[in-house]
Amino acid sequence: GNSVTQMEGPVTLSEEAFLTINCTYTATGYPSLFWYVQYPGEGLQLLLKATKADDKGSNKGFEATYRKETTSFHLEKGSVQVSDSAVYFCALSVSSGNTGKLIFGQGTTLQVKP
Amino acid sequence: DTGVSQNPRHKITKRGQNVTFRCDPISEHNRLYWYRQTLGQGPEFLTYFQNEAQLEKSRLLSDRFSAERPKGSFSTLEIQRTEQGDSAMYLCASSQGADNSPLHFGNGTRLTVT
Repeated sequence: GNSVTQMEGPVTLSEEAFLTINCTYTATGYPSLFWYVQYPGEGLQLLLKATKADDKGSNKGFEATYRKETTSFHLEKGSVQVSDSAVYFCALSVSSGNTGKLIFGQGTTLQVKP
Repeated sequence: DTGVSQNPRHKITKRGQNVTFRCDPISEHNRLYWYRQTLGQGPEFLTYFQNEAQLEKSRLLSDRFSAERPKGSFSTLEIQRTEQGDSAMYLCASSQGADNSPLHFGNGTRLTVT
């Protein structure tokens, strides 16, 4: 079946530190991959996406590269800020049937301290 | 674009009672999704509408759950004879329906069954 596994949190970093949140997936077919972010008290928001192998998604200083050979989509940011504190969800969408349905990982909480 | 709106924000009910939640998607979006999220977990897919047609239902959606989207606009999710295990955040999302269109999420309805 289709599934997403994320590194467990919480991840606690100091401001300006380098961030990596690991995400691996299992999928039939050719999935699109997404990172969603949930800030405190807000709904889930799309952070970035990649639709095919070797694509790099980027937004707000965050990046993730779709690695088919390692079935991974790790999220990175070179210098985190306190305002990046949130829960980050990795997700996939399998194109077969084209429902657009997303399958999410369990989420990783990031806490950035000043 | 006023975003996806969900009502109520919070609902506390006694076991055995029925509850109904409403979701108003972004107006031009023809796809609508319901998800359930429990503490520390990622959202789990419940059901999906393309316009007014309910095209997919998860096995998580027991026969106590029913969702409708009359006229392809707003949607309701009803839970009959609530159980304590139904306590969760219920999320609604909508999308334009094109391949890999991002899902736009509402802030959710938090249900507590006592």
